[in-house]
Amino acid sequence: AQSVTQLDSQVPVFEEAPVELRCNYSSSVSVYLFWYVQYPNQGLQLLLKYLSGSTLVESINGFEAEFNKSQTSFHLRKPSVHISDTAEYFCAVIGSNYKLTFGKGTLLTVNP
Amino acid sequence: DTGVSQDPRHKITKRGQNVTFRCDPISEHNRLYWYRQTLGQGPEFLTYFQNEAQLEKSRLLSDRFSAERPKGSFSTLEIQRTEQGDSAMYLCASGDQGVNSPLHFGNGTRLTVT
Repeated sequence: AQSVTQLDSQVPVFEEAPVELRCNYSSSVSVYLFWYVQYPNQGLQLLLKYLSGSTLVESINGFEAEFNKSQTSFHLRKPSVHISDTAEYFCAVIGSNYKLTFGKGTLLTVNP
Repeated sequence: DTGVSQDPRHKITKRGQNVTFRCDPISEHNRLYWYRQTLGQGPEFLTYFQNEAQLEKSRLLSDRFSAERPKGSFSTLEIQRTEQGDSAMYLCASGDQGVNSPLHFGNGTRLTVT
């Protein structure tokens, strides 16, 4: 079985400031890692994924996440946020049991 | 690719009534999942299908919940004798065969039990 801990339930930041959303996971087997984003009144959308290879993965809208196996972390970062980044962000893991497990989410609020 | 479609978008029902939700996955996807999401929480796994076979069901799911995927295409989730605690957003997702293939989510069905 696996589990995901998102350490911050809410993160308020000002526009153009950097942000880091923290995610730690626990699993007895190898896992694949994902970040999903949920904009207000919309469904979940895949933001980025770590499957193998380079531990740093990037999205098309400037987010990046780094897989750290020793610390079992997959933190999400963006060097400069926009108002439009306001959303809830979910970290998720999946293992050989095909069960995608989510964290409780972090609400990112970008203020002008 | 029209995405994952869920119907209805909203359902209001009285306690004790039965409800059924439908999910149409992306056509070539053979994995299909149901999740439940309540306010302030992450999506909670309910059940998973590989084609028409239901391979896993959450132990949190009571006997009032049942899901089917009769021909390996669309799926239905039925809740019998609804309770107020069943009020939530019910999400469907589908994915390709590989375990590392990302899941694509529908917009969900919001259930309100009065």
